[in-house]
Amino acid sequence: DTEVTQTPKHLVMGMTNKKSLKCEQHMGHRAMYWYKQKAKKPPELMFVYSYEKLSINESVPSRFSPECPNSSLLNLHLHALQPEDSALYLCASSQGGLAPDTQYFGPGTRLTVL
Amino acid sequence: AQSVTQLDSHVSVSEGTPVLLRCNYSSSYSPSLFWYVQHPNKGLQLLLKYTSAATLVKGINGFEAEFKKSETSFHLTKPSAHMSDAAEYFCVVRAGYSSASKIIFGSGTRLSIRP
Repeated sequence: DTEVTQTPKHLVMGMTNKKSLKCEQHMGHRAMYWYKQKAKKPPELMFVYSYEKLSINESVPSRFSPECPNSSLLNLHLHALQPEDSALYLCASSQGGLAPDTQYFGPGTRLTVL
Repeated sequence: AQSVTQLDSHVSVSEGTPVLLRCNYSSSYSPSLFWYVQHPNKGLQLLLKYTSAATLVKGINGFEAEFKKSETSFHLTKPSAHMSDAAEYFCVVRAGYSSASKIIFGSGTRLSIRP
């Protein structure tokens, strides 16, 4: 099973709202990733968690706050977003450690900020 | 330093004809290379990967790619295109063997299939 699930599929929020995106995998992977993808562009890496610790933050604004409560679950908390934050948010996971690392992606959450 | 260049932003072929999507890379280290496909409003699906084993890599849905170190290329091919192959394709390079190793996406190639 190489499935990564993401909820919700779609999210519409106002600039003053607080919401969260959720990502889950049950492949025993120890690395998890958040990406942002704008239309007709490749995904841009936002955060990497390795063994539940934040290992990479690609200078993402603080209105995006990641959380990794356990090895299977990754959240992205959203607060005071801007309309330009509207995008497809993709989660991925990989084995982690020192193995050649293949990422498996979820279907994404389509976020619209009004 | 690493980089990846997808040489064509858009490729259009007729159904039943061969597909060639081109990817060139540069890497200071021995790289891992991947091709992903993304259908409209979907996540990315792994097509195939090269991680320093056989240079000719077979993937899903009849796709394959050949790693050519001398040409720093990792082109994706398929002998006969199907309508369901219409999608965006990304070439990805990764140097190193950990989750912290740098991941570089190409800009993508949109594949269109003519009936």
